[in-house]
Amino acid sequence: ETVLTQSPGTLSLSPGERATLFCRASQIVGTNFLAWYQQKPGQAPRLLIYGASSRATGIPDRFSGSGSGTDFSLTISRLEPEDFAVYFCQQYGRSPVTFGQGTRLDIK
Amino acid sequence: QVHLQESGPGLVKPSETLSLTCTVSGGSIKTYYWSWVRQPPGKGLEWIGYIYYSGDTDTDYNPSLKGRATMSVDRSKNQFSLKLTSVTAADTALYFCARGPLPPQSFDFWGQGKLVTVSS
Repeated sequence: ETVLTQSPGTLSLSPGERATLFCRASQIVGTNFLAWYQQKPGQAPRLLIYGASSRATGIPDRFSGSGSGTDFSLTISRLEPEDFAVYFCQQYGRSPVTFGQGTRLDIK
Repeated sequence: QVHLQESGPGLVKPSETLSLTCTVSGGSIKTYYWSWVRQPPGKGLEWIGYIYYSGDTDTDYNPSLKGRATMSVDRSKNQFSLKLTSVTAADTALYFCARGPLPPQSFDFWGQGKLVTVSS
């Protein structure tokens, strides 16, 4: 299976700062079928980015995704208070679908 | 707006079968893939499997479950279901249903989740 390794495990930043989260795959993610999700406590994951770089419906443009092959990133250009959450990457190009272990974005 | 809602028992005894249903409203179950994803308390996400709306022959499951998972669809009720046999404490988790994978959009709508505890 495709193992996804996210870094860092925890990122502590202040509102207004820029956040960059990373996701590395153990093998090439076909057709860049790489997604990013945001999850807050007690809630379901929310799709932010699909196809490595396309924003899902209703997602603010401060969220952007990039990368290809095995290395991907999610950038939040200017952190808002509601952005502090856990972020997961996911690949859906090969079976089984797999998720990274998550990056926790904390308020500094 | 598509809405998904999980239902089923919140407590299952060890060695028994976990059964959950996801009801889809605000849209048709047709032409989509539908998945189950679980999350043990305080841990990450694990994909369980998917089923196509047309029925049981177009399914895929996570090998980690060693053949214990089975999904089905009831198109007349706009529902899909999960059965997980021979459960243990390791199957205690928040179970989500979701629409997808839908390349390129992946999983775009999710249920709120159903906590299932395996305990005697």
